[in-house]
Amino acid sequence: DVKVTQSSRYLVKRTGEKVFLECVQDMDHENMFWYRQDPGLGLRLIYFSYDVKMKEKGDIPEGYSVSREKKERFSLILESASTNQTSMYLCASSPMVVYSYEQYFGPGTRLTVT
Amino acid sequence: QQQVKQSPQSLIVQKGGISIINCAYENTAFDYFPWYQQFPGKGPALLIAIRPDVSEKKEGRFTISFNKSAKQFSLHIMDSQPGDSATYFCAATHNFGNEKLTFGTGTRLTIIP
Repeated sequence: DVKVTQSSRYLVKRTGEKVFLECVQDMDHENMFWYRQDPGLGLRLIYFSYDVKMKEKGDIPEGYSVSREKKERFSLILESASTNQTSMYLCASSPMVVYSYEQYFGPGTRLTVT
Repeated sequence: QQQVKQSPQSLIVQKGGISIINCAYENTAFDYFPWYQQFPGKGPALLIAIRPDVSEKKEGRFTISFNKSAKQFSLHIMDSQPGDSATYFCAATHNFGNEKLTFGTGTRLTIIP
């Protein structure tokens, strides 16, 4: 069973704080993704990574950065948290296999920035 | 630019009825169309998926209907059950070997007794 774990289920931070969201997958997947989920907007891709130290911007990368130093771990960083970054953050992983498009999601981190 | 439009935003169906969720896409290069199901407190999970070379795919009570000319696809849940109450997301992708998915905005489905 693929398991994607996220470091926190709930997180409350203050405006201007630096925030780290951690994601770990145990299936040796090459691809990892960070999304944010907001009501009425669905899942929007923030960043993704095909390999260690590789990263590519998604649709809404502004205000975020990522780090992937090990294959199993993908971190999302909010350099200076703002209230409009209050959201549910979902991490996902998938194998680099031709015509295998299934992504495996973690349970999410609900971040509140006050 | 929203490349996958999903409707309705919410849906209430009686137990035993048919639930229908619709999606439309713009990018004709899309070649894989999955549906994800998300229960409260959980991440989304793949439910069923279709490629544009077939017009329908059925897995148990869940069916995807695909209309390539209209650039539309839909999820039908037959004999809907309270356990089907969840949020459903359609998605699409076109990148060979790249699993970047474009998601719809989601449909919150509630099945009432």
